[in-house]
Amino acid sequence: DAGVTQSPTHLIKTRGQHVTLRCSPISGHKSVSWYQQVLGQGPQFIFQYYEKEERGRGNFPDRFSARQFPNYSSELNVNALLLGDSALYLCASSFKDTEAFFGQGTRLTVV
Amino acid sequence: AQSVAQPEDQVNVAEGNPLTVKCTYSVSGNPYLFWYVQYPNRGLQFLLKYITGDNLVKGSYGFEAEFNKSQTSFHLKKPSALVSDSALYFCAVSELGDKFYFGSGTKLNVKP
Repeated sequence: DAGVTQSPTHLIKTRGQHVTLRCSPISGHKSVSWYQQVLGQGPQFIFQYYEKEERGRGNFPDRFSARQFPNYSSELNVNALLLGDSALYLCASSFKDTEAFFGQGTRLTVV
Repeated sequence: AQSVAQPEDQVNVAEGNPLTVKCTYSVSGNPYLFWYVQYPNRGLQFLLKYITGDNLVKGSYGFEAEFNKSQTSFHLKKPSALVSDSALYFCAVSELGDKFYFGSGTKLNVKP
């Protein structure tokens, strides 16, 4: 079975631009979460979606938004990019009350 | 509020020696505790979890962790370290098994 897949793997954007990151969960997993990992730090929770509904939101500005589609894949959108948004963005899927399985991440560089 | 603390930024150990990576947690309910490993430029790989049951949890690649409720600790251990174990290790807590709170990570260096 395929694991969690994320696209693209790397991305370079200019300040002020918009970016969309994509995630496909493991088949059968209905929960998708997004995390931001800044270099040298642990992952920070951004969003969780379950059955297409937002279940949780971390302490991130409104420039960050996400959605989950009927096939349980998910998009993370970031508007008006700042240099500080440069990070590894991780997507995780899980079946309720089990461990989360993480994708390889999208490395976003804002210049 | 849930939180995790990893007091050591880096742990150095010689190959073949036992290793311990420390983690303490704070939760308002029953803790779901996890250990993940991250290799350079990669995502997180699941090692083991504690939900309930035996305090000693065995996981992948020979790792194990001991849950200590009185000390609110969940230390990661391995009897004999390998050079290939060198990586970044994260402890995480999740009260409902959904949203995860990660520690700051501990870099494990295993020297030949």
